Amino acid sequence: SAVISQKPSRDICQRGTSLTIQCQVDSQVTMMFWYRQQPGQSLTLIATANQGSEATYESGFVIDKFPISRPNLTFSTLTVSNLSPEDSSIYLCSARDWTYEQYFGPGTRLTVT
Amino acid sequence: GEDVEQSLFLSVREGDSSVINCTYTDSSSTYLYWYKQEPGAGLQLLTYIFSNMDMKQDQRLTVLLNKKDKHLSLRIADTQTGDSAIYFCAESIVPDKLIFGTGTRLQVFP
Repeated sequence: SAVISQKPSRDICQRGTSLTIQCQVDSQVTMMFWYRQQPGQSLTLIATANQGSEATYESGFVIDKFPISRPNLTFSTLTVSNLSPEDSSIYLCSARDWTYEQYFGPGTRLTVT
Repeated sequence: GEDVEQSLFLSVREGDSSVINCTYTDSSSTYLYWYKQEPGAGLQLLTYIFSNMDMKQDQRLTVLLNKKDKHLSLRIADTQTGDSAIYFCAESIVPDKLIFGTGTRLQVFP
């Protein structure tokens, strides 16, 4: 199984600023993803992070708001831009290797004031 | 459409069995998953089942799949206080995209 770490684990940011979240996997994986979990709710897929190319975004999520990078097979970043209180959520990175097992990081808890 | 539903709460006595239920709407789901989320933590993959299977057992966990009724269940035998958490089921329709249920909060009392 893949072990996934995220930084930061939590942050409090002011409205209008941006936060970049890092995700590191301990082994090479085929797929990496970013999810959002709003307070008291389930998880929603934001995008698939593609190595060396633009991420694939789900309906309702756009690159200008959630730019994503994946420079190699084990690392990805998600930036949440122009923050508003509605962006207060937990953001989770996940990864899948050659099996159908998808693993999640511990999450980054973002609070926007 | 894509919709996965779960009951919100389940309370059981320590040592009893817990059964967490999940219904989904898309019959083309390929894999179905169960995740556990403890307070302040990420998601832990518990088990998953391929859509052509009816049952899968892994130690204290038993997954039952009824494709006709689009119903998935997770049974935890001999439930312990450490099992208290939120349990999410998820379906995979297209490769890698997981659609999560609303989550069931399991509370285990002595």
